Amino acid sequence: SQQGEEDPQALSIQEGENATMNCSYKTSINNLQWYRQNSGRGLVHLILIRSNEREKHSGRLRVTLDTSKKSSSLLITASRAADTASYFCATAGSGNTGKLIFGQGTTLQVKP
Amino acid sequence: DAGVIQSPRHEVTEMGQEVTLRCKPISGHDYLFWYRQTMMRGLELLIYFNNNVPIDDSGMPEDRFSAKMPNASFSTLKIQPSEPRDSAVYFCASSLVKSTSGANVLTFGAGSRLTVL
Repeated sequence: SQQGEEDPQALSIQEGENATMNCSYKTSINNLQWYRQNSGRGLVHLILIRSNEREKHSGRLRVTLDTSKKSSSLLITASRAADTASYFCATAGSGNTGKLIFGQGTTLQVKP
Repeated sequence: DAGVIQSPRHEVTEMGQEVTLRCKPISGHDYLFWYRQTMMRGLELLIYFNNNVPIDDSGMPEDRFSAKMPNASFSTLKIQPSEPRDSAVYFCASSLVKSTSGANVLTFGAGSRLTVL
């Protein structure tokens, strides 16, 4: 069963705007990760946030985590056409089994 | 490092045929995952291995699916007999869980696109 659910399912914005994607999950986690998938390619890891962290930055990416609400958000600032891709959250359970479950993903289109 | 290598990249077969997908993980990685991606069901975890041992195969759809990891540098996912509903992109991913962080960050292969007619 899927752990993460993301919204929106699809997002279309203009270049230069910010894009925000949300992920909700059901059970307690050790960490939450975000991945990007370009069309026809494999997923690429973007950023990881641990359960005891609330916010993390990497370049134009900002991730927040609210464990009380079991939710996370990914913000991409000053978006570029090259950011067009699908974005997935993935959760690692608190049992630290190594298992990683992915959400359904958000498809982002950035128009030049 | 060449990354995670999957073969074949594309496979078209007829219903009832056996399909074997192959994966070479990154050298030194101790976890290997098989995922299946479809539009309807998204990215599903089928099975994963730790140090060549299957840890959780609860995602394997049915007995027609089997996976092996005979050594640290090779894994196969076999479907026998194949059915049209098995059409999907199958991804292999590997990772190294560092004892200091305990975090499992996956490196994915490019995927094998399977079409069963």
